[in-house]
Amino acid sequence: DAKTTQPTSMDCAEGRAANLPCNHSTISGNEYVYWYRQIHSQGPQYIIHGLKNNETNEMASLIITEDRKSSTLILPHATLRDTAVYYCIVRAGFFNQAGTALIFGKGTTLSVSS
Amino acid sequence: NAGVTQTPKFQVLKTGQSMTLQCAQDMNHEYMSWYRQDPGMGLRLIHYSVGAGITDQGEVPNGYNVSRSTTEDFPLRLLSAAPSQTSVYFCASSRRGGLQETQYFGPGTRLLVL
Repeated sequence: DAKTTQPTSMDCAEGRAANLPCNHSTISGNEYVYWYRQIHSQGPQYIIHGLKNNETNEMASLIITEDRKSSTLILPHATLRDTAVYYCIVRAGFFNQAGTALIFGKGTTLSVSS
Repeated sequence: NAGVTQTPKFQVLKTGQSMTLQCAQDMNHEYMSWYRQDPGMGLRLIHYSVGAGITDQGEVPNGYNVSRSTTEDFPLRLLSAAPSQTSVYFCASSRRGGLQETQYFGPGTRLLVL
């Protein structure tokens, strides 16, 4: 699986958009970009995923560059409850021996303040 | 649906003791997995199962055993606990092994081995 690089930490004011970048320059054509987050002392929570098109759901938007070497997770109106560690994961779009195991890095700690 | 449940929430063991961490899901998911999370690190895969009766090793399997006798349950056994196994353990499940399948995580079990 491709390796991802994320900033260690980011700050965001409540009510503003939070833009979390992720570099995945070695991504392969069949690898998806996934975003999960982990609020303190809780299990990871799925946010969004995509292959090459931009995606939006009720939680966030995912912008993937045309060359697919980087992506940005956008939380349009961050709240204090969005304070968490955000993980960017790339994963092959086919079943292999490891199934759907997710390879988590260290992620980005997003701090939302009022 | 209760989703993914884990018991116990907290556990303190002495070196050499054995115990079983319980994980259950009520979503009829085929795929289940166990991760551990250590301070400052992401999640690392211990063992996984792609269906009842089928298990395999992940990234850090040493010191842990698993079994999958039913679709719902995926217990993790520590045969002889060591201080290095002090960690937070998360169980996860997804409907199938495909990459479009969202993984759902339990709330975690915090284990301290003295």
